[in-house]
Amino acid sequence: KNEVEQSPQNLTAQEGEFITINCSYSVGISALHWLQQHPGGGIVSLFMLSSGKKKHGRLIATINIQEKHSSLHITASHPRDSAVYICAVDRLLAGGGADGLTFGKGTHLIIQP
Amino acid sequence: DGGITQSPKYLFRKEGQNVTLSCEQNLNHDAMYWYRQDPGQGLRLIYYSQIVNDFQKGDIAEGYSVSREKKESFPLTVTSAQKNPTAFYLCASRGPTYEQYFGPGTRLTVT
Repeated sequence: KNEVEQSPQNLTAQEGEFITINCSYSVGISALHWLQQHPGGGIVSLFMLSSGKKKHGRLIATINIQEKHSSLHITASHPRDSAVYICAVDRLLAGGGADGLTFGKGTHLIIQP
Repeated sequence: DGGITQSPKYLFRKEGQNVTLSCEQNLNHDAMYWYRQDPGQGLRLIYYSQIVNDFQKGDIAEGYSVSREKKESFPLTVTSAQKNPTAFYLCASRGPTYEQYFGPGTRLTVT
């Protein structure tokens, strides 16, 4: 079983719809990241969360540490939001430090006009 | 502008040849990482370095080697021992408060 699970794997929606992508993880973490990957391959960091909720423009990310679950929401979705959205975690290591992110497989989002 | 550069964007090699992928950052970050991405799979960690002259194997280090002689540079060599080298390779760095920065990636094709 993967340490980071995302759902759905694929999502097609109409412009203007409210989008939710979910991420569950099974390890202790120091932080959770939401990333965006466009067709060219480049990855952009959208959010880094260790608790609560963050908002940036039409994007909202929440995390529930007790339930080991995070969601990424897109309000008033637009075709330019079409991309792969990836959830990744910084695993909590004994003694601190960080050994790289552990990634979900991504959610392929298509917003149709 | 601060960031991570990877070159080249596309790389083609014949089977049996070693190839080195470049990664340079001007963010003054100590920690740097190499990830591999295959279709339908999440990114996987190949090697990481938390400080100059030190690096650690990640989950899929077999067939790869790295060096970290300078803070700015973390090149990855894909050796002929790597059985399935064709993939998309991403270099990343981590800032002091765990924020992540990614390079544009190199798509390697070995035939």
